[in-house]
Amino acid sequence: TQTVSQSDAHVTVFEGDSVELRCNYSYGGSIYLSWYIQHHGRGLQFLLKYYSGNPVVQGVNGFEAEFSKSDSSFHLRKASVHWSDSAVYFCAVKSNYQLIWGSGTKLIIKP
Amino acid sequence: EAGVTQSPRYAVLQEGQAVSFWCDPISGHDTLYWYQQPRDQGPQLLVYFRDEAVIDNSQLPSDRFSAVRPKGTNSTLKIQSAKQGDTATYLCASSLAPTGGTEVFFGKGTRLTVV
Repeated sequence: TQTVSQSDAHVTVFEGDSVELRCNYSYGGSIYLSWYIQHHGRGLQFLLKYYSGNPVVQGVNGFEAEFSKSDSSFHLRKASVHWSDSAVYFCAVKSNYQLIWGSGTKLIIKP
Repeated sequence: EAGVTQSPRYAVLQEGQAVSFWCDPISGHDTLYWYQQPRDQGPQLLVYFRDEAVIDNSQLPSDRFSAVRPKGTNSTLKIQSAKQGDTATYLCASSLAPTGGTEVFFGKGTRLTVV
């Protein structure tokens, strides 16, 4: 059984700052990790995924994430956030047919 | 390419009423998921299908919830007698057969309020 943990319920940064949202997983076989974004009142939108190959993966809107087997992590980063990045971010690991979800991190952008 | 389509977008019920949610997945996607997402929480899997077959419905409250996907395309999730605790957003998602790094696509969800 795979699990995923997002230790920060909230992260607050100023517009233009860099940000890292943390995700740790428990290893249980083949790794498929992804990040999704959910704006208030909206559905989940795919940001990026890692399955194999280059551990640094690029996603939409300047997001990237780095897979680390040694740390069991898949942290999401952005070099310079915009107010429109305010949302809840979910990390997920695929186990067999289904996605196992973290509890989400709410990113708050101050002007 | 059309995304995952859900209807209705919103529903408000009194306790004891029934409601059905409808989902049209992306064409060609054989795997379909229903999730329940309470406010300020992550999605929680209720049931998922591969084609028309139920793969896992262990988290579906079987006394009041049911889900079908009769032709392996569209799906309906039904709540027979709603309770206030069912208040949540219900998300449908679809993907190709889960081999390799396949992405899961989500609909916009149905926001259910039970009063």
